[in-house]
Amino acid sequence: EVQLVESGGGLVKPGGSLRLSCEASGFTFSSYNMNWVRQAPGKGLEWVSSISASSTYIYYADSVKGRLTISRDNAKKSLYLQMNSLRAEDTAVYFCARVSGYGYFDDWGQGTLVTVSS
Amino acid sequence: EIVMTQSPATLSVSPGETATLSCRASQSVSSNVAWYQQEPGQAPRLLIYGASTRATGIPARFSGSGSRTEFTLTISSLQSEDFAIYYCQQYNNWPPYTFGQGTKLEIK
Repeated sequence: EVQLVESGGGLVKPGGSLRLSCEASGFTFSSYNMNWVRQAPGKGLEWVSSISASSTYIYYADSVKGRLTISRDNAKKSLYLQMNSLRAEDTAVYFCARVSGYGYFDDWGQGTLVTVSS
Repeated sequence: EIVMTQSPATLSVSPGETATLSCRASQSVSSNVAWYQQEPGQAPRLLIYGASTRATGIPARFSGSGSRTEFTLTISSLQSEDFAIYYCQQYNNWPPYTFGQGTKLEIK
């Protein structure tokens, strides 16, 4: 059974930093592209960042470019999101999601809440 | 960036009836559309990919159709667990991946 478990969320002040983790199990993590998707309170889904299986290709939404950094450690079966210079508008539940071979997101973690507030 | 527009924002339907949700892409995305269901406080769950293929374990009462710019998710014989928020997503032209704003399916 595929499992994705996020951690690292919490309350942080504007301008602060946070590192999210997503631990994978139940599949060959090193063979899959992965994504971060966020959802602000009461709002819809917003794609944040993608990383290819071997970290060769990395993409970001314009809203986070230069502030958030995606990475992965295939030996640890883990995905990360380093979040710097956080703003109030970054407040959201952050989900990690596995990308199928065709491009849709076939498995999601339960999410971790990031709150940016003074 | 491809914009995905869902309608209606809220749909009220009685249990046992059929719900029809729409999604329109701002330009052709071929059949590269997925539908997700999200219950309150839960992660999204993949329902449909390739516009019309049900994901593993999804009941046959969920069906998807469409291509290019017009897509539909139909849920027949609505059950209590089907009342949730539904999102469409295109994965034809990315980055960015884009989602519709969601349709809330509520009990009438």
